[in-house]
Amino acid sequence: EVVLTQSPGTLSLSPGERATLSCRASQSVSSRFLAWYQQKPGQAPRLLIYGASSRATGIPDRFSGSGSGTDFTLTISRLEPEDFAVYYCQQYDSSLWTFGQGTRVVIK
Amino acid sequence: QVQLQQWGAGLLKPSETLSLTCAVYGGSFSGYYWGCIRQPPGKGLEWIGEINHSGGTNYNPSLKSRVTISVDTSKNQFSLKLSSVTAADTAEYYCASSRRYNGYDWDYYMDVWGKGTTVTVSS
Repeated sequence: EVVLTQSPGTLSLSPGERATLSCRASQSVSSRFLAWYQQKPGQAPRLLIYGASSRATGIPDRFSGSGSGTDFTLTISRLEPEDFAVYYCQQYDSSLWTFGQGTRVVIK
Repeated sequence: QVQLQQWGAGLLKPSETLSLTCAVYGGSFSGYYWGCIRQPPGKGLEWIGEINHSGGTNYNPSLKSRVTISVDTSKNQFSLKLSSVTAADTAEYYCASSRRYNGYDWDYYMDVWGKGTTVTVSS
């Protein structure tokens, strides 16, 4: 089973700042199978990025994804008030989906 | 656009079976895999399993002995059953798409989600 480790656990930033979230896999993951989600309290997760770097429909271009192999990154170029939330990375391998433990982005 | 509506019992006693049904509206049922994910209170997301329109399934090994996901294509629905529940199964349970067919291959992401069902296991 591929284990995804996200860092940091909590990111404290101000609106307008840049957020960089990391997702590290325990073994190499195909970029095709790496996605990022945003979750706000009381809501279902929302797909942000798929294929490691493709934005989902309706996702603002301040969100971007990059990386390959075992190291992937979600970047929010300038934080808007609505971006403070929990972010999860996810991968698919050998008929099994796994999620990272999440990074919480909070207002500083 | 594709939407998911889900329902199931919210309060269970230990040893009972959790049942969750998810209905798909507004799109191609056969063009997706359909899955279930859960989230214990204050914790992260855990994938439970998935099914395609033909009934082919994949399950999380940690839950496989207790999980059954089935499909009813006549109603565009799929269902989760989790047997012998304990307090550790208390969570928000989500239905979601888990793959989408793009015309020539599968895309691997979950872009359609139900609103969630809160399940509490307590004696």
